[in-house]
Amino acid sequence: GQNIDQPTEMTATEGAIVQINCTYQTSGFNGLFWYQQHAGEAPTFLSYNVLDGLEEKGRFSSFLSRSKGYSYLLLKELQMKDSASYLCAVDRDSNYQLIWGAGTKLIIKP
Amino acid sequence: GAGVSQSPSNKVTEKGKDVELRCDPISGHTALYWYRQSLGQGLEFLIYFQGNSAPDKSGLPSDRFSAERTGGSVSTLTIQRTQQEDSAVYLCASGEGGTIYFGEGSWLTVV
Repeated sequence: GQNIDQPTEMTATEGAIVQINCTYQTSGFNGLFWYQQHAGEAPTFLSYNVLDGLEEKGRFSSFLSRSKGYSYLLLKELQMKDSASYLCAVDRDSNYQLIWGAGTKLIIKP
Repeated sequence: GAGVSQSPSNKVTEKGKDVELRCDPISGHTALYWYRQSLGQGLEFLIYFQGNSAPDKSGLPSDRFSAERTGGSVSTLTIQRTQQEDSAVYLCASGEGGTIYFGEGSWLTVV
């Protein structure tokens, strides 16, 4: 079957660093997405990893290990506005038929 | 257009009525998706279009739900005989080249 696991909720402190993990078991793998979703809003694109390794984009970085079926999203210098849900999604084939995780709700405390 | 556009943004309808939700994808995007999201829940896949054809309709929850796409552009999701459990936000996304972009969603409330 298709399975994507993320922690349901995480709490971190403003200014700190947090790592949100995502493990997946899917029939086929073409890439992995991370999206951010603020309450009451649509998801917005953060990153797309196809190859193993770390990709950095400002305060956000995403890591992928295809052999381990594992990814993480690393958020640095946390700001209050980073409080949101973070969704991991696997693209099983080149037609972008995505399998979505349930999302990790990140709570940032002052 | 500049982004994915959905209408209506909000819809309140009576149980048993039909509703149509519209999605106008980013120009040139061949892939179009419909998702549903209930309050506090994850994204539920409904249907995927590649051009005008729908190779994957597996997510449509019942035969009350249907969708079409014409001219490789605008898509309409139709829910017939709405039920209260259909209340959710319906998100449309379009994609090309490794990223999909979401519209703001159509918030449906069935009373």
